[in-house]
Amino acid sequence: GENVEQHPSTLSVQEGDSAVIKCTYSDSASNYFPWYKQELGKGPQLIIDIRSNVGEKKDQRIAVTLNKTAKHFSLHITETQPEDSAVYFCAASPPSGGYQKVTFGTGTKLQVIP
Amino acid sequence: DAGVIQSPRHEVTEMGQEVTLRCKPISGHDYLFWYRQTMMRGLELLIYFNNNVPIDDSGMPEDRFSAKMPNASFSTLKIQPSEPRDSAVYFCASTKGNYEQYFGPGTRLTVT
Repeated sequence: GENVEQHPSTLSVQEGDSAVIKCTYSDSASNYFPWYKQELGKGPQLIIDIRSNVGEKKDQRIAVTLNKTAKHFSLHITETQPEDSAVYFCAASPPSGGYQKVTFGTGTKLQVIP
Repeated sequence: DAGVIQSPRHEVTEMGQEVTLRCKPISGHDYLFWYRQTMMRGLELLIYFNNNVPIDDSGMPEDRFSAKMPNASFSTLKIQPSEPRDSAVYFCASTKGNYEQYFGPGTRLTVT
């Protein structure tokens, strides 16, 4: 099955700086890569996703890049703000007909220091 | 829509007791997922349903765990008997055939 590794496990940045979280996946057939943000006491929430037919996707201060050859993808947050502090999860999903089963990374705790 | 609803939000029970966690998915969603989150193992998929039918239960840790979905608006995850190592946050999520999963707030289970 799919295996997703995520680094770093914790990340502290100053407000206004950029943050980068990196993930690798094992199944070359995976074609869907979502990123979830989990705030304290809440369930994960999708913030951005990318499919394998594109190499980069942006949404305001958030961007995700995908390198299919190397089987890794990254989340970039620019101009970080205190409200960006949360745990971020990457995930990967190989096609299997019908719904695609998502495998999550182990999470990155991001702290934005005001 | 109120989102995915889970109850209870917190559950404390003694080892050996039966625990039932409940989930109401978002109306119209045809997939429902149960996850377990721990510091050691992260977010693990336990089981998922499509149109009320269990599709993949390979993540269910052992026979003490069971899940049902009697109708499109309700699902339960039962642990019997519970053990201290079952202590975790259990999430329910739902989706309508696309890829984004909508998570509930979770149930924090503590087994003493």
